[in-house]
Amino acid sequence: RKEVEQDPGPFNVPEGATVAFNCTYSNSASQSFFWYRQDCRKEPKLLMSVYSSGNEDGRFTAQLNRASQYISLLIRDSKLSDSATYLCVAREGGKLIFGQGTELSVKP
Amino acid sequence: ETGVTQTPRHLVMGMTNKKSLKCEQHLGHNAMYWYKQSAKKPLELMFVYNFKEQTENNSVPSRFSPECPNSSHLFLHLHTLQPEDSALYLCASSPRWTENTEAFFGQGTRLTVV
Repeated sequence: RKEVEQDPGPFNVPEGATVAFNCTYSNSASQSFFWYRQDCRKEPKLLMSVYSSGNEDGRFTAQLNRASQYISLLIRDSKLSDSATYLCVAREGGKLIFGQGTELSVKP
Repeated sequence: ETGVTQTPRHLVMGMTNKKSLKCEQHLGHNAMYWYKQSAKKPLELMFVYNFKEQTENNSVPSRFSPECPNSSHLFLHLHTLQPEDSALYLCASSPRWTENTEAFFGQGTRLTVV
């Protein structure tokens, strides 16, 4: 079983749509979680941290369910510029473990 | 600009060559990482350093040899690589080794082994 698992997609959505990504992690001792964004042939960049209480940053909302070992990312009012691969990340001590990534393509 | 700089950005090397990748961070972070990203695969953690001390070697073949002379610099020495080692090699740093902090990435070195 993969340590951090995501649906690779691609998710093809029209501009203005709401899209949700899910991620599961296998190690219950994982301490913290993040969503990164990676554009084609570029380095991953932090999108947001994920807190147990849920957190929102503009059009982006992240949720964590420790009981189910599940993380989600919701993007509202999708923009063309949101097209990228979204990486789910779990920290296990000194290691940051990445999921495969979910590809999002927002169309006009 | 993330404060993590990698050189070179692109590298083509033969299987008998020896080359080194360099990473430098200007963020005052204590932990540094090497990751490998192959096409359609998750980022694979290779090595972790905390204050110059290696804390993680994720079963990486010995043809990859890391070096961390200080907490700001990290090298990856390459020798007798195989074509399947062609990938994007990413360096990252984070403020503390085990605290709940994110990592910041360099732009990567795209390596092609011929």
